[in-house]
Amino acid sequence: DGGITQSPKYLFRKEGQNVTLSCEQNLNHDAMYWYRQDPGQGLRLIYYSQIVNDFQKGDIAEGYSVSREKKESFPLTVTSAQKNPTAFYLCASSLGYTDTQYFGPGTRLTVL
Amino acid sequence: KNEVEQSPQNLTAQEGEFITINCSYSVGISALHWLQQHPGGGIVSLFMLSSGKKKHGRLIATINIQEKHSSLHITASHPRDSAVYICAVRSEWARDDKIIFGKGTRLHILP
Repeated sequence: DGGITQSPKYLFRKEGQNVTLSCEQNLNHDAMYWYRQDPGQGLRLIYYSQIVNDFQKGDIAEGYSVSREKKESFPLTVTSAQKNPTAFYLCASSLGYTDTQYFGPGTRLTVL
Repeated sequence: KNEVEQSPQNLTAQEGEFITINCSYSVGISALHWLQQHPGGGIVSLFMLSSGKKKHGRLIATINIQEKHSSLHITASHPRDSAVYICAVRSEWARDDKIIFGKGTRLHILP
């Protein structure tokens, strides 16, 4: 079955630690995205990648980093520089940048 | 003012009722999306519209480009329709054609 997976579903970390969230897709999509969702707010774009080995900052990239070494994988690292990292993180992919995005199940990160 | 506004923010209805969720936007767009987010957090894309109307099962989405407005309708609503419905637009003027999300409408259908 084709799809997009994120792991883990829940993640707890101590303040000051870096943490990497996984996102994998087997849909053969070129574009991948990371969003952050906070209560009462719309989804906000952190980073996106239109093609392998390339990525661009979104609206709230500070304190985050990504890599796109493989087409199917787009991991997101939440660094200690991110002031308020506790949130729900959603990964998405699309065939091309302007095509319909398909979302993963999300990772809820709690920083203690 | 947000570029994408949804109304209502919250909606509770009885099973079987006809549901309408509205989305207004203030930017020029190339496409509008309706998404459904279930209580567990997963998001499903329902529709992508650039004009007119689309129907899928009990769901109908319409868009009026001149009025910068879209509606999502659910006929014969059911408790399993309970979710957050999110309107998102792809701005044709924003840097890199980015997608702008509304804050969502939380729908609760009572049995």
